[in-house]
Amino acid sequence: DTAVSQTPKYLVTQMGNDKSIKCEQNLGHDTMYWYKQDSKKFLKIMFSYNNKELIINETVPNRFSPKSPDKAHLNLHINSLELGDSAVYFCASSQRQGSYGYTFGSGTRLTVV
Amino acid sequence: SQQGEEDPQALSIQEGENATMNCSYKTSINNLQWYRQNSGRGLVHLILIRSNEREKHSGRLRVTLDTSKKSSSLLITASRAADTASYFCATDGAGNMLTFGGGTRLMVKP
Repeated sequence: DTAVSQTPKYLVTQMGNDKSIKCEQNLGHDTMYWYKQDSKKFLKIMFSYNNKELIINETVPNRFSPKSPDKAHLNLHINSLELGDSAVYFCASSQRQGSYGYTFGSGTRLTVV
Repeated sequence: SQQGEEDPQALSIQEGENATMNCSYKTSINNLQWYRQNSGRGLVHLILIRSNEREKHSGRLRVTLDTSKKSSSLLITASRAADTASYFCATDGAGNMLTFGGGTRLMVKP
């Protein structure tokens, strides 16, 4: 009965590959997010989806594409992976955009070699 | 760029002592939130304080907010070894998205 679940937990892949990270929340929240945490622990918003509509797209490369088949799922697809994409990616959800606390998944550690 | 900056970046205390972490931010906010992250884990929401509130308590946690100084503090009283973690402040401002600070790494020695 995990609230926000991400898969896989670890992902090691070679430069140039395409990979996807999946996220699902069973909280009935309206909004889902993707954050990137770098090696210095800084967290940066990448995308936000509210009821399947993209509402924030921070300046991330267009190699990153979020896909939300329904409001309980927000997947992240990454094309042509680069060394600099290595980081921990967190999915999160909230009941209403910004007004409530976020529930985070446990993260996906992506290593590009 | 980071909205919030936390101070100190690292803090080491003995069990039973109080831990105080500070957060400063730059723009106006709707609310400010504090999160805890244990090593290798996701972030856990601790407490939310709205812009019209000055102080909030939750168990051993006390959060203050001074919007005139654009700053907040998180006080953990009677710390325990299990409180060892990174603590992040996050501000909810224009655009209703959470922007995180760099975090304070707290170590509580038994």
